[in-house]
Amino acid sequence: AQTVTQSQPEMSVQEAETVTLSCTYDTSESDYYLFWYKQPPSRQMILVIRQEAYKQQNATENRFSVNFQKAAKSFSLKISDSQLGDAAMYFCAYDNAGNMLTFGGGTRLMVKP
Amino acid sequence: GAGVSQSPSNKVTEKGKDVELRCDPISGHTALYWYRQSLGQGLEFLIYFQGNSAPDKSGLPSDRFSAERTGGSVSTLTIQRTQQEDSAVYLCASSLGARASQPQHFGDGTRLSIL
Repeated sequence: AQTVTQSQPEMSVQEAETVTLSCTYDTSESDYYLFWYKQPPSRQMILVIRQEAYKQQNATENRFSVNFQKAAKSFSLKISDSQLGDAAMYFCAYDNAGNMLTFGGGTRLMVKP
Repeated sequence: GAGVSQSPSNKVTEKGKDVELRCDPISGHTALYWYRQSLGQGLEFLIYFQGNSAPDKSGLPSDRFSAERTGGSVSTLTIQRTQQEDSAVYLCASSLGARASQPQHFGDGTRLSIL
């Protein structure tokens, strides 16, 4: 079975600074997708960024980028120029078959003004 | 267009009662998923529907939990004889198709509290 681990329960960053959230996973599959979701207090899970395992190039979406290390099974999220609106729970997730997402336990990100 | 809609937003009920939670997916999305999020935890998969295929119920925690999807659209998650450990946020998601390349879009969830 696949597992996803987020080792940082909480992180904090100063506004305008950069922060990196860690995620590791375990799978025997070679083709899969990895995702970062943001969950603000409103509860809705918002897709931040996704990475296809067969693509070596790291995905980027504006201020969000990932460092995908397939051999190490590592998938970290970097947030540049942090904004107050970035404060939320962040979940790393894995999917290889389209029938379910496997989530990590989440990292609470606090942004200090 | 409209996103995934869930109702009610909050539900408080007494232990032993039955509850029904509703999910209305994005129009045209054939895949629908239910997840449970206990306080301070990640999401736990419950059940998945794809088109007219038999649902994948492998995540349902007990036989008190069941779900239906009528007409390939709206889904209802039913919990019978609720227990206090059922208290959680229940999130529904939908996607264009049941492929890992299709991202799942989530609703705002239903917060269920069992007294």
